Amino acid sequence: EAQVTQNPRYLITVTGKKLTVTCSQNMNHEYMSWYRQDPGLGLRQIYYSMNVEVTDKGDVPEGYKVSRKEKRNFPLILESPSPNQTSLYFCASSSTGAGEYEQYFGPGTRLTVT
Amino acid sequence: GDSVTQMEGPVTLSEEAFLTINCTYTATGYPSLFWYVQYPGEGLQLLLKATKADDKGSNKGFEATYRKETTSFHLEKGSVQVSDSAVYFCALSVKGGGNKLTFGTGTQLKVEL
Repeated sequence: EAQVTQNPRYLITVTGKKLTVTCSQNMNHEYMSWYRQDPGLGLRQIYYSMNVEVTDKGDVPEGYKVSRKEKRNFPLILESPSPNQTSLYFCASSSTGAGEYEQYFGPGTRLTVT
Repeated sequence: GDSVTQMEGPVTLSEEAFLTINCTYTATGYPSLFWYVQYPGEGLQLLLKATKADDKGSNKGFEATYRKETTSFHLEKGSVQVSDSAVYFCALSVKGGGNKLTFGTGTQLKVEL
């Protein structure tokens, strides 16, 4: 089954404690991306990757890091989480093109930083 | 920059009612347009898309037509069901924009018996 998986699904942590949210896809997609969803703001892109070892900032990259060492995995790293990073996070993947391809989303990770 | 504006919710309808969710966009290039749906506790799923002017996307009884002259992509369904209750997101992606999706804020739909 074609899917994007994220772990963990729920996470409560404290300010400053480093954490990683994993994302994996089994569709051999070149493109992967992270979004955060906040009430009244929709989804906003954090980082994206067009292929292995190629990553770039999205609209709200501050406080986040990513890496793309393998095609299937695209972890999101919060080196020093703060309460304003409390949000619902989604990983997505797609084929690359001119923006016309469907993006497949993971089930989401709800992060609370206290 | 690129942006998407969609009507605020929640929208509450009775089963079998007609649905319209308005969506307008601003884009620097020639975008592809999408409607994604988010059911409670789940990730987003593509509902339909259109990649050029006058294209009509359709799926599961939902339709939307790419109107370049009015920069709109309104979502419609002739007869909603309780199972259509979800949050609906209008989004665009511009060629050369790195596959980035620009989303509207989402419209929650509640369908009651």
